[in-house]
Amino acid sequence: KAGVTQTPRYLIKTRGQQVTLSCSPISGHRSVSWYQQTPGQGLQFLFEYFSETQRNKGNFPGRFSGRQFSNSRSEMNVSTLELGDSALYLCASSSAGNVNEQFFGPGTRLTVL
Amino acid sequence: GQQVMQIPQYQHVQEGEDFTTYCNSSTTLSNIQWYKQRPGGHPVFLIQLVKSGEVKKQKRLTFQFGEAKKNSSLHITATQTTDVGTYFCAGGSYIPTFGRGTSLIVHP
Repeated sequence: KAGVTQTPRYLIKTRGQQVTLSCSPISGHRSVSWYQQTPGQGLQFLFEYFSETQRNKGNFPGRFSGRQFSNSRSEMNVSTLELGDSALYLCASSSAGNVNEQFFGPGTRLTVL
Repeated sequence: GQQVMQIPQYQHVQEGEDFTTYCNSSTTLSNIQWYKQRPGGHPVFLIQLVKSGEVKKQKRLTFQFGEAKKNSSLHITATQTTDVGTYFCAGGSYIPTFGRGTSLIVHP
């Protein structure tokens, strides 16, 4: 089975721009979660989608949003980028039977200048 | 909100020495997961503990879940250079809270 894939792997944006990141989960996995990883804050949960519905949301501003498609692929959008949004954005998928066993993708490294 | 603390932040060991990282939650956890992230890589799931007092082993790795389900530990026996990485614990029923991780550095 192919693992979780994320595109793009690297991205450079400037303040004020917006960005869309994509995640394809492991085949058969219906839960997709997004995380932000920074040296200062560690791994922080953004949100989780299951069957196209946002099921859980972390403590991030409304500039961070996401969606999930019928094929379980997910996108995450960040609008009005700030310097502090520079981070590694990780997507993780899990099966409905064990949502806590998460399989992470390689991440998208976002740099905001 | 829920906090998950991990200690130590860093640990240097000589190859062959043992290593332990500790995870403490401010609230009772229904379960806890452990992940390993190699330098430049992404977190990889290691194990999940669910029961109070549970102990699980994976080769040289031993995972424990406290009786009160508020703490956990990961112990590696006789470390190898392949054990290098950051070990994270994570808990929380709906919104996973990750510890800050313990970075293990193994000196050959």
